[in-house]
Amino acid sequence: AQSVSQHNHHVILSEAASLELGCNYSYGGTVNLFWYVQYPGQHLQLLLKYFSGDPLVKGIKGFEAEFIKSKFSFNLRKPSVQWSDTAEYFCAVTFDTGTASKLTFGTGTRLQVTL
Amino acid sequence: SAVISQKPSRDICQRGTSLTIQCQVDSQVTMMFWYRQQPGQSLTLIATANQGSEATYESGFVIDKFPISRPNLTFSTLTVSNMSPEDSSIYLCSVYFQGDYTFGSGTRLTVV
Repeated sequence: AQSVSQHNHHVILSEAASLELGCNYSYGGTVNLFWYVQYPGQHLQLLLKYFSGDPLVKGIKGFEAEFIKSKFSFNLRKPSVQWSDTAEYFCAVTFDTGTASKLTFGTGTRLQVTL
Repeated sequence: SAVISQKPSRDICQRGTSLTIQCQVDSQVTMMFWYRQQPGQSLTLIATANQGSEATYESGFVIDKFPISRPNLTFSTLTVSNMSPEDSSIYLCSVYFQGDYTFGSGTRLTVV
């Protein structure tokens, strides 16, 4: 079955540390890939997305992600985290790349950045 | 991207009652989605709502429990029927518009 997995459930980092959050999916076909962030008490915001082209995608707030097709992965990275990056991060995938396909979410990773 | 207004933002309801959640979009969209986010968990798709047709429900969700209306291209409602404490969750609507999926701010439902 098509699924999305995020292996890091809770990550604690000090400010200025580098971040990498894993996201893997199970599907042999074409996918669209997304990372969303949910700050405490706020709604989901899009960090970045990949549809096609350059597999290294740059998003907002200094985040980037790399699509590695052979590994079915779309890991999120940030070279230096800030305390304000404390939030829940969700990877999401559409397995049918037709217009307005439904999003399937991973279980989320809670990032806690300490001062 | 589209802007979504979702109401109510929160509610506390008695078990056995029903709550209708409204989702208004500032643009005409073909597809609207309803999600549930249980405490500390990820988002689970309840159903996909097309204008003018029956909603398509995901496994584990049924129309009798979560009836959905989609009367036009900018509005949808989700009703949580005959509520039990297990229905306590955040319910979100989402739309696909010009390449982006946008989410409402959610309805935090507590069933007592």
